[in-house]
Amino acid sequence: EVHLVESGGTLVQPGGSLRLSCAASGFTFSSYSMNWVRQAPGKGLEWISYITVRSDTILYSDSVKGRFTISRDNAKNSVYLQMNSLRDEDTAVYYCAKDRGGGGLDYWGQGTLVTVSS
Amino acid sequence: IQMTQSPSTLSASVGDRVTITCRASQSISYSLAWYQQKPGKAPKFLIYQASTLQSGVPSRFSGSGSGTEFTLTITSLQPDDFATYYCQQYNGYSRTFGQGTKVEIK
Repeated sequence: EVHLVESGGTLVQPGGSLRLSCAASGFTFSSYSMNWVRQAPGKGLEWISYITVRSDTILYSDSVKGRFTISRDNAKNSVYLQMNSLRDEDTAVYYCAKDRGGGGLDYWGQGTLVTVSS
Repeated sequence: IQMTQSPSTLSASVGDRVTITCRASQSISYSLAWYQQKPGKAPKFLIYQASTLQSGVPSRFSGSGSGTEFTLTITSLQPDDFATYYCQQYNGYSRTFGQGTKVEIK
């Protein structure tokens, strides 16, 4: 069974940094691209980043480009999101999601809450 | 690429046929997925390639469309189907969600 478990969410001050982790199990992690998606309180889903198997293609939404960095460690079955220069509007539940391969996100973690506030 | 869903909210009764529309700001061929989300839960993957049902998803769900206009249809709405539905495009170097359609009890 596929499991994705995010961690690292917490309260952080504006301008601060945070690193989220997502531990994967139940599938061959090194064979699938991965994504981060966030959801601000009471709002819709926002895709923010994507990374291919060998990290040779990395994509970001305009809202986080230049501030967030996605990475992965296939040996540890994990994907990460380094978040710098955090703003109030980055407050959200952050989900990692497995790419189906060919389109769509077929498995999601339970999410981790990041709150940016002074 | 911008994705626009309509309506934003839909009131329906159990047994109704429900249709949600998703429009892309430019052609995305068939590169569209649909998700269902319930409050406090992660989204559930329903449909990919505009019309292919993910394994385990009930057959009352169906998707259609190509290019810039897509629809999600639920025939005979069930109590478990009251939720928010999102489309997502995955064409090229971006992935964008629609703003969501909440299906509520009439």
